[in-house]
Amino acid sequence: EAGVTQSPTHLIKTRGQQATLRCSPISGHTSVYWYQQALGLGLQFLLWYDEGEERNRGNFPPRFSGRQFPNYSSELNVNALELEDSALYLCASSPVGGSYQETQYFGPGTRLLVL
Amino acid sequence: SQQGEEDPQALSIQEGENATMNCSYKTSINNLQWYRQNSGRGLVHLILIRSNEREKHSGRLRVTLDTSKKSSSLLITASRAADTASYFCATALDYKLSFGAGTTVTVRA
Repeated sequence: EAGVTQSPTHLIKTRGQQATLRCSPISGHTSVYWYQQALGLGLQFLLWYDEGEERNRGNFPPRFSGRQFPNYSSELNVNALELEDSALYLCASSPVGGSYQETQYFGPGTRLLVL
Repeated sequence: SQQGEEDPQALSIQEGENATMNCSYKTSINNLQWYRQNSGRGLVHLILIRSNEREKHSGRLRVTLDTSKKSSSLLITASRAADTASYFCATALDYKLSFGAGTTVTVRA
């Protein structure tokens, strides 16, 4: 069974640009979660999508947004990039909507560098 | 803000020794989970312990949970070089998993 995949693995942008990160969940999983892990910090919850809807959002500004497609894959968009947005962005999936409390399966991450 | 806090922040042990790390949290939980992260890559789920459980084992891993003290511990027995990683505890709260800052474990050969 294929795991969670993310693309690209690395992304370099300059301040003010937009970044788009992609995630494909494990087949059969309907929930997708996004986390930001800045250097030396723990994971910060960004967004939770389930069945195409945004279910919960962390304490991040509106320039962090995303969507979930009918095939349950997801996209995270970060507009007006700032230097402090440089981080590892991790996507996770879980099999049943609302099972955020159960095991989440993580992808390898996208490392975003903002210059 | 972090719901869980791991202690210690870093741990260095000799291969074959046991490694113990602790996690404290602030509010009531449904379950507590431990994850491992190798070299800034994705997280791997290790074990989940529910609030009505006190101890759980999985291979060389032993997790305890004390809900009265709002704390959990992860014990790795007979450590190996491959156990070198960062370990995070996570609690479910407000429709999201909240992770601590992690304990970095280095196993020396």
